[in-house]
Amino acid sequence: AQTVTQSQPEMSVQEAETVTLSCTYDTSESNYYLFWYKQPPSRQMILVIRQEAYKQQNATENRFSVNFQKAAKSFSLKISDSQLGDTAMYFCAYQSGTYKYIFGTGTRLKVLA
Amino acid sequence: DTGVSQNPRHKITKRGQNVTFRCDPISEHNRLYWYRQTLGQGPEFLTYFQNEAQLEKSRLLSDRFSAERPKGSFSTLEIQRTEQGDSAMYLCASSLGMGDTEAFFGQGTRLTVV
Repeated sequence: AQTVTQSQPEMSVQEAETVTLSCTYDTSESNYYLFWYKQPPSRQMILVIRQEAYKQQNATENRFSVNFQKAAKSFSLKISDSQLGDTAMYFCAYQSGTYKYIFGTGTRLKVLA
Repeated sequence: DTGVSQNPRHKITKRGQNVTFRCDPISEHNRLYWYRQTLGQGPEFLTYFQNEAQLEKSRLLSDRFSAERPKGSFSTLEIQRTEQGDSAMYLCASSLGMGDTEAFFGQGTRLTVV
């Protein structure tokens, strides 16, 4: 069975600094997708960034980028120029086949002014 | 398009009562998912629909839980004979299917069983 592990329950970063959130996963599949979702307090989850496993190039979305290491089954999220609005729970998620997501336990990120 | 809508947002019920939640997905989204999220945890998959067909159910979904998606539009999730362990946030998500993998989530229904 596929699993997703986020080993950092909480992190904090100063505004305008850079922070990296870690995620590892386990799968025997060769084709899959990886995602980072953001869940602000009392608001719905929104997609931050996604990566197709067959693509070697790391995905980037403005201030958000990933470091995808397929052999190591690692998928970290880097947030550059952190903003107060980045304060949220961040979930790493895996998806393949049936399109259901398997989520990690999340990392609570707090951006400090 | 106003996104995925879930009702009610909050529900408090007594143990043993039945509850029903509703999810209205983004129009034309073929796939609809239900997840359960407890405090401090990531969402756990419960079930999903492709149009009106329920294609997969998690082992988490005991026989007290039932979900429907009549006519492939909105979906309902019913919990019968609620237990305190059912207290959680119930999330609904939808996606286009057809190879598109991004799911859009609703704000969830928070269930408290007292």
